[in-house]
Amino acid sequence: GAGVSQSPSNKVTEKGKDVELRCDPISGHTALYWYRQRLGQGLEFLIYFQGNSAPDKSGLPSDRFSAERTGESVSTLTIQRTQQEDSAVYLCASSLVDTRTEAFFGQGTRLTVV
Amino acid sequence: KQEVTQIPAALSVPEGENLVLNCSFTDSAIYNLQWFRQDPGKGLTSLLLIQSSQREQTSGRLNASLDKSSGRSTLYIAASQPGDSATYLCAVSRISGGGADGLTFGKGTHLIIQP
Repeated sequence: GAGVSQSPSNKVTEKGKDVELRCDPISGHTALYWYRQRLGQGLEFLIYFQGNSAPDKSGLPSDRFSAERTGESVSTLTIQRTQQEDSAVYLCASSLVDTRTEAFFGQGTRLTVV
Repeated sequence: KQEVTQIPAALSVPEGENLVLNCSFTDSAIYNLQWFRQDPGKGLTSLLLIQSSQREQTSGRLNASLDKSSGRSTLYIAASQPGDSATYLCAVSRISGGGADGLTFGKGTHLIIQP
């Protein structure tokens, strides 16, 4: 596609439920990043995928968070047993190589845990 | 640890004025610095990318400068328009991360251009 696409754009879920967020990067971009933006806070880096390599998961906030990427394509971020503190905008970005090249962001998924 | 600070946190100016947004970072060992704008409820739009070897980049009414040794960047907006109203974010890519640890962001400057 022309840009980074994320779905859903908005998600309201009950505390304790699992949610899955999806990101379609720009075609040909090998690098994919997930960030979290809490209200009034800066963007927080979560995880990075490079091609088919296994990601470094140390940036994920807790073991309730997991992420996968299929080849150099779609990525999903899964949050299990959601808590109210998980409420945030989750942003995905892709880049041709890594952070040495320009990052392009999706429109984000606004997650509200009630 | 890299820290990025943006000043001011908020700015309101009349239409037509030229303005400067500031960004500072603590670790000068960076690959690049990128400026973004974020409209309410939207993702980030890339405005300018300055490589560490460059001093400035220009796009239309926007000009970004980089002084890596002092850890500072400025975004200059000429002849501001109401459509420029948004939150402006700067972000740096650390060499120590090898390109793999994501960008480090400031908290942004919330800009309002009064018609």
